[in-house]
Amino acid sequence: NAGVTQTPKFQVLKTGQSMTLQCAQDMNHEYMSWYRQDPGMGLRLIHYSVGAGITDQGEVPNGYNVSRSTTEDFPLRLLSAAPSQTSVYFCASSYYGTGRSYEQYFGPGTRLTVT
Amino acid sequence: EDQVTQSPEALRLQEGESSSLNCSYTVSGLRGLFWYRQDPGKGPEFLFTLYSAGEEKEKERLKATLTKKESFLHITAPKPEDSATYLCAVQAVIYNQGGKLIFGQGTELSVKP
Repeated sequence: NAGVTQTPKFQVLKTGQSMTLQCAQDMNHEYMSWYRQDPGMGLRLIHYSVGAGITDQGEVPNGYNVSRSTTEDFPLRLLSAAPSQTSVYFCASSYYGTGRSYEQYFGPGTRLTVT
Repeated sequence: EDQVTQSPEALRLQEGESSSLNCSYTVSGLRGLFWYRQDPGKGPEFLFTLYSAGEEKEKERLKATLTKKESFLHITAPKPEDSATYLCAVQAVIYNQGGKLIFGQGTELSVKP
């Protein structure tokens, strides 16, 4: 199993440009999520999904869109990039079920710089 | 408000010098507490899950424990390869929050030979 994969690893955007960060998992996990990691802020949840066709907002959703058309893929779209979106982005996945907590597995990250 | 606080922010140890990292949490019903290891430029790597007070988990030189208010990650006779940032996260029993994790800021551990 490849686990959780993310592309690209690095990206530089100009303010106002749009792009999509790709995330895929091959573990048949229902739950997938996107985090951003900033110095001094820790990991913060952007959006998450508990299954194909189901998404919801996390702690810092503004400026980002997601969709989940398949179990395997969960892309994150930046609509109009801003310097405040300069960060490292991590995708994570886990099994999901009420009454049970499952460990999340993280991808290698995408380092995004917006100039 | 659900919150996770880790201490210390940074810890420097000599090889073989045992110590503990602390993770204090406030959460409206704990579903699970997680420990992760993160190396520079990489994603967090899962270490342990703890579900209830009194539970302990071990892996090589690491041992995680849990009380009703905090968790400790004990490192016994650390080696330089244990140098990393250790992250603590909690998952709350909140309907419709899915698997949302609340992370602490992390403890940066450096082990010198």
